[in-house]
Amino acid sequence: ELKVEQNPLFLSMQEGKNYTIYCNYSTTSDRLYWYRQDPGKSLESLFVLLSNGAVKQEGRLMASLDTKARLSTLHITAAVHDLSATYFCAVDNNNDMRFGAGTRLTVKP
Amino acid sequence: DTGVSQDPRHKITKRGQNVTFRCDPISEHNRLYWYRQTLGQGPEFLTYFQNEAQLEKSRLLSDRFSAERPKGSFSTLEIQRTEQGDSAMYLCASSLATNNEQFFGPGTRLTVL
Repeated sequence: ELKVEQNPLFLSMQEGKNYTIYCNYSTTSDRLYWYRQDPGKSLESLFVLLSNGAVKQEGRLMASLDTKARLSTLHITAAVHDLSATYFCAVDNNNDMRFGAGTRLTVKP
Repeated sequence: DTGVSQDPRHKITKRGQNVTFRCDPISEHNRLYWYRQTLGQGPEFLTYFQNEAQLEKSRLLSDRFSAERPKGSFSTLEIQRTEQGDSAMYLCASSLATNNEQFFGPGTRLTVL
């Protein structure tokens, strides 16, 4: 059964700092997605990674996928308060989407 | 607004009652997914449709749960004989089969008393 693990689960960082969130998964898949969820809200799609070596960037966030290592990273550059949210990775397991437990990010001034 | 919509947004019911939720996907999307999310957890896959066909059901989906997508457009999720453990946020998402990027609705928050 596919397992998706994120770490860290909680992350508190200062504005202006860089950090990386990791997403490991247990079976072969070449489709991985990152979502953002604000408290009390639904999920917002951030990145779609569809092949080994895929890299996508949007603003201060950059996501990458290594299908051989079964690892995706979400890198945060020069964090700002507006990035505070919970970030989920999700792996497409033959159309059965499995989500990680989420990383709750708090960016402090 | 052309996003995914869900109705109702909140539902409070007593244990043992039946509830039904509706999801209207983005119109050109052929896939529709249902998830359940509890506090502090990621969404758990329940089931998905491609057009009107229900192609996958999670083992989490007990026989008290049933979902339909009769014309390949909107979908309903019914929970019969609700239990307190059914209290959660029920999320619907839709996508195109080509890349399966899912767009989520606002969710229906169910509270079973």
